[in-house]
Amino acid sequence: AQSVTQPDIHITVSEGASLELRCNYSYGATPYLFWYVQSPGQGLQLLLKYFSGDTLVQGIKGFEAEFKRSQSSFNLRKPSVHWSDAAEYFCAVYNNNDMRFGAGTRLTVKP
Amino acid sequence: GAGVSQSPSNKVTEKGKDVELRCDPISGHTALYWYRQSLGQGLEFLIYFQGNSAPDKSGLPSDRFSAERTGGSVSTLTIQRTQQEDSAVYLCASSPKTGTSGAAYNEQFFGPGTRLTVL
Repeated sequence: AQSVTQPDIHITVSEGASLELRCNYSYGATPYLFWYVQSPGQGLQLLLKYFSGDTLVQGIKGFEAEFKRSQSSFNLRKPSVHWSDAAEYFCAVYNNNDMRFGAGTRLTVKP
Repeated sequence: GAGVSQSPSNKVTEKGKDVELRCDPISGHTALYWYRQSLGQGLEFLIYFQGNSAPDKSGLPSDRFSAERTGGSVSTLTIQRTQQEDSAVYLCASSPKTGTSGAAYNEQFFGPGTRLTVL
């Protein structure tokens, strides 16, 4: 069965610093890969997705993610974090109606 | 409406009572998904609707859980004889298309969730 692992439960970064959130998946084929953000009291919002093609994908709010097949990873990055980026981030994999989410990484942004 | 809505936003109930959670998807979206988000956990898939039918019920954790969708629109998730371990945020998502193949996948739009607390 496919699974998603987000190794970091909680990350704290200073405003303006760079960010990388890790995501590893376990699946035989290359699934579709997603990153979602969940702000307090809000539903999940799609940041970006990878289906095929260029392994570096750009998303909203200045986020990007890179698919690395050899590492089964899809890490999320942002060069300079803003205070408004504080939220919970979920990586997800999808195949044939089966959508699996990671446990999430909570991002705290220090002033 | 503009997005997926869920009601109630919060529900507190006593152990053993039944609860109903409602999801209003985006108009025209044929696919509807229910997830459960427990504290410190990722989203756990519960059930998926394509129109009014549910081809995939594999995620329902027990026979106390059931869901229906009428008119290809509103869906209700019912939990009977609630237990404390049912406490979680229940999220609903809708999608314009079903995902029977990779090319047919489309983005899921999530509602704000219903926070269920079983005392």
